[in-house]
Amino acid sequence: EVQLVESGGDLVQPGGSLRLSCAASGVTFSNYWMSWLRQAQGKGPEWVANINPDGSDKYYVDSVKGRFTISRDNAKNSLFLQMNSLRVEDSAVYYCARNDWEVLKAWGQGTLVTVSS
Amino acid sequence: DIVMTQSPDSLAVSLGERATINCKSSQIVLRGSNSNNCLAWYQQKAGQPPKLLISWASTRESGVPDRFSGGGSGTDFTLTFSSLQAEDVAVYYCQQHCSLPLTFGGGTKVEIK
Repeated sequence: EVQLVESGGDLVQPGGSLRLSCAASGVTFSNYWMSWLRQAQGKGPEWVANINPDGSDKYYVDSVKGRFTISRDNAKNSLFLQMNSLRVEDSAVYYCARNDWEVLKAWGQGTLVTVSS
Repeated sequence: DIVMTQSPDSLAVSLGERATINCKSSQIVLRGSNSNNCLAWYQQKAGQPPKLLISWASTRESGVPDRFSGGGSGTDFTLTFSSLQAEDVAVYYCQQHCSLPLTFGGGTKVEIK
C-alpha cells in the first residue's frame, strides 16, 4: 500500500521561502506522475503542480508559476516543492499525491504552511 | 479553466436513506479515444486528506462500498449514496481529470439528520 509523508511546512513571513518534501513508500515511485495540491482552511483542494516520472515535464497552476518549483529524486523516492516569494494567500495544508491519468489516487496527510508577518 | 459547480452546499440525510450530490462542469469532460468521462469524486472526513472514491465518472476504487455510485455524462454528474451510513459523514468533492489545471467543485457537506 502506498504511503506518502509530507514535511517541511512552517510559519514564514511574506516574501520568504520554504522547501516541502514528500517521502513515498510502498510503491515504485519512479513509475508515477506525482502532484502537489493545497487546501486553505475551510476551502476545497487546489491543484498546484505536476511532474512526470523522470522529472522532465512539469506543470503549474498560474498563481504559482515563476515562484514554485516541483522536482523529484527517484533514487530517494522523494518529491519536493520549492516555494519562493511566498504570499499570504499561499497559506494552506499542502498535500502530495500519486497521479494516475490526473486522478489523485493516494494522498499524504499534509503539511501546514502559514505565511504571515 | 474548467469550472466545477456542486450542489447542494450541504445535505442532511437520515440513516439508511438515499441521497444524491450533483456536479456540473463548465465544459464537456471527455478524454481518450473511448471518450470516457473524466470526473472523479473524493471524500474528506474531518482532519483527514481527501480519499478517492470514484474516477471516470462511475468506476469505484477498490475497497469503496457499493452503496456509493457515480453517474452522469457530458457536463452533469452525480454521486449517489444508496443508504447513508454514519461513517459517510464528510465533505465530498468532484474533480475534473481531463485537463490542466485540475479543478475541484466547492464541496458538499453531508450530515446525519
